[in-house]
Amino acid sequence: DIQMTQSPSTLSASVGDRVTITCRASQSISGWLAWYQQKPGKAPKLLIYKASTLHSGVPSRFSGSGSGTEFTLTITGLQPDDFATYYCQQYNSFSETFGQGTKVEIK
Amino acid sequence: QVQLVQSGAEVKKPGSSVKVSCKASGDSFNSQSISWVRQAPGQGLEWMGRIIPMFDRIDYAQKFQGRVTLTADESTTTAFMELSSLRSEDTAVYYCARDGLGCSSTSCYVDQWGQGTLVTVSS
Repeated sequence: DIQMTQSPSTLSASVGDRVTITCRASQSISGWLAWYQQKPGKAPKLLIYKASTLHSGVPSRFSGSGSGTEFTLTITGLQPDDFATYYCQQYNSFSETFGQGTKVEIK
Repeated sequence: QVQLVQSGAEVKKPGSSVKVSCKASGDSFNSQSISWVRQAPGQGLEWMGRIIPMFDRIDYAQKFQGRVTLTADESTTTAFMELSSLRSEDTAVYYCARDGLGCSSTSCYVDQWGQGTLVTVSS
């Protein structure tokens, strides 16, 4: 299976900050990468797929980039609702695998 | 837009089995691809498998092969996940989720999630 590694594991930030989360794949996954947001006790929500395509209804302050083995999720102008855990997921190869998550905390 | 509503929490003994249901409403069930993902307490997400009723296609993650069974009842638009030989490490929230449309040739992301079902395995 392809291993997905996110960094950092935890990130402290303030409202209004620009935040970047990195996801690295153990081998090339082309652009087959998705990002999810999860809040405590809730199911994850899709933010981005195909590395940079914003899912319907997701605010434009979220953006994704990258290809091959390195990807980033950027939140431009962090909002109170954005404090959550974020996961990347590859869907290039069977079976799908997720990163370990990045928790975005209030500074 | 599909809605996925899962069955309630379960408490099971080690060695037993659990069957979780996931009722879909909204878009045509037959054409959906439903994945199952689990999350142990305080841990990350783990993909278990998928079922595509229209094509009678079922894929299982190697880790769960032989222990998980995915089925679907088109008449009730419900998908099921049965996990057998339960052990304490299977304690987790189990999610059903709809696969997105822009998948690769082998795998997919999910764009709609059920609310999750907590399965606790304890003697």
